[in-house]
Amino acid sequence: EPEVTQTPSHQVTQMGQEVILRCVPISNHLYFYWYRQILGQKVEFLVSFYNNEISEKSEIFDDQFSVERPDGSNFTLKIRSTKLEDSAMYFCARGRGNTGELFFGEGSRLTVL
Amino acid sequence: GQNIDQPTEMTATEGAIVQINCTYQTSGFNGLFWYQQHAGEAPTFLSYNVLDGLEEKGRFSSFLSRSKGYSYLLLKELQMKDSASYLCAVRDLLLYDGGTSYGKLTFGQGTILTVHP
Repeated sequence: EPEVTQTPSHQVTQMGQEVILRCVPISNHLYFYWYRQILGQKVEFLVSFYNNEISEKSEIFDDQFSVERPDGSNFTLKIRSTKLEDSAMYFCARGRGNTGELFFGEGSRLTVL
Repeated sequence: GQNIDQPTEMTATEGAIVQINCTYQTSGFNGLFWYQQHAGEAPTFLSYNVLDGLEEKGRFSSFLSRSKGYSYLLLKELQMKDSASYLCAVRDLLLYDGGTSYGKLTFGQGTILTVHP
């Protein structure tokens, strides 16, 4: 059973549309992260979320992006007006263990046309 | 910021040993991680070093030298299923009003390893 479940697994959208990606952890955790990986490129940090607040965000995480934990369980990443360059795999991750290594969900593939 | 370098591609033969190097320059350091990523899948955790030296875990070992900004991942008794991308990642030290916390991981480009029969 996966520790982090992401939905949808794949979403195709038109440029300019809003997209919401969801992450559901199996158990309660304090640390969450969103990363993205454009095809053929490296895994890039977007934002980290600690104790229901943003603790860090990257330059990529501009005003088009937002994160929420609306019901204390689901963890969402919203892209308000998608651009072609937003096409990527989006990974939700949580910190785990004594080392705090990241455990990644299976990812949501976003294709913007 | 973080700057992480690792070779783009490597090839090796089944049963052999391969060493994947990673060098980094950081403004803060709180651990180095290695991840494995098969095509189309999420990265999976392999190893963690925060102190200098070698950490061994089965067929996989990872080494760290903080003074040199250098790490390597050693894979022994290579199997075909080890063909994957291997990602080196460095963690920041994040300070906030409540104390310290785990900072983000910054990933290198990854090394695509191809294992041949």
